[in-house]
Amino acid sequence: KNEVEQSPQNLTAQEGEFITINCSYSVGISALHWLQQHPGGGIVSLFMLSSGKKKHGRLIATINIQEKHSSLHITASHPRDSAVYICALPGGQGAQKLVFGQGTRLTINP
Amino acid sequence: DVKVTQSSRYLVKRTGEKVFLECVQDMDHENMFWYRQDPGLGLRLIYFSYDVKMKEKGDIPEGYSVSREKKERFSLILESASTNQTSMYLCASSLSLGGYNEQFFGPGTRLTVL
Repeated sequence: KNEVEQSPQNLTAQEGEFITINCSYSVGISALHWLQQHPGGGIVSLFMLSSGKKKHGRLIATINIQEKHSSLHITASHPRDSAVYICALPGGQGAQKLVFGQGTRLTINP
Repeated sequence: DVKVTQSSRYLVKRTGEKVFLECVQDMDHENMFWYRQDPGLGLRLIYFSYDVKMKEKGDIPEGYSVSREKKERFSLILESASTNQTSMYLCASSLSLGGYNEQFFGPGTRLTVL
């Protein structure tokens, strides 16, 4: 079973700072998901990536398949970026399911 | 735009009650999932379904059952609610099965069992 570790668990920063959230996993995979969960519960998918880098607005996700590691970066952070960020990857039951990290709670102060 | 809806945002029940959580998706997705989310434990899969009337146990099925009579609807049933089932419950759906496919989540139901 794939083990997923996210760091840090909690992160507080000032508006405008560059943010990095990390995700490491134990079993090789070829794709990884980054999800965002705002207060109130709803989860949205930000990225699915299998190699290199993807960018969407101020969000950048990178993955290194060989090192079993992915990072989510936020440039010019804003209070509306405050949320829980979760990485997820295929694992278990023939990769039919997603295995989730515990999440990183990000708070951006104005 | 895929929409996944859940019947309640907040629910309070008493120990021993039978509880139904309903989830509906409008994109004709084959696959539907029920998760619970607890602080420090992340999202854990309770059950999933890959077709009408078909279901598979996830990682923590004990104390739960599910029903999928129609493609768009997936119900989670707590036969006799207990306090340790107090949690956030999230439903999701996906077009194809497999960890390489995007899952679309509902808004969640926060269940409190007293």
